[in-house]
Amino acid sequence: DVKVTQSSRYLVKRTGEKVFLECVQDMDHENMFWYRQDPGLGLRLIYFSYDVKMKEKGDIPEGYSVSREKKERFSLILESASTNQTSMYLCASSPSTASSYNSPLHFGNGTRLTVT
Amino acid sequence: AQKVTQAQTEISVVEKEDVTLDCVYETRDTTYYLFWYKQPPSGELVFLIRRNSFDEQNEISGRYSWNFQKSTSSFNFTITASQVVDSAVYFCALNRDDKIIFGKGTRLHILP
Repeated sequence: DVKVTQSSRYLVKRTGEKVFLECVQDMDHENMFWYRQDPGLGLRLIYFSYDVKMKEKGDIPEGYSVSREKKERFSLILESASTNQTSMYLCASSPSTASSYNSPLHFGNGTRLTVT
Repeated sequence: AQKVTQAQTEISVVEKEDVTLDCVYETRDTTYYLFWYKQPPSGELVFLIRRNSFDEQNEISGRYSWNFQKSTSSFNFTITASQVVDSAVYFCALNRDDKIIFGKGTRLHILP
């Protein structure tokens, strides 16, 4: 079974702090994604990566950055956390195929971040 | 614009009843994929089904069935004889370019 592990289930940070959310997958997937989930808004794509050291902006990248130094690890960085970044963050991975967009995503359990 | 609409925000049914979750999509692509995911209270989204735009056959998997109709741009999901364990948030999704976009989800409560 594919396992996507997010390092923290719950996190509480202060406004202005630099926050790192870590995600590791163990199935050698090329593609990794970060979404945030908010009530009434569903899942929104923040950033994604199709290869090591590669990153692409999703729909809501402002206030975030990412890092992918190794294939199995994809980190989401909040440079200066703000209260409007309080949310559930979900990491996902998928294998690379001829058409990556049709590969089902495998999700982690999520990190619920509270910024106070 | 490509998007997914799940008009039902929340649904409650009594156990053993059938329930249908609606999904309407918009896309300008001729080839596309649709998905359904389940998010139980534990939080982890679980993939349920993928359907490509050329395959309009309905699919049944146990108590779950999916009705894909290109004419109405809908990909509805029916649970037959619902059980309490079906309580979850269900997301419909569509690929857009090389990404997958999600609807806002439908929270399903199955009451004992």
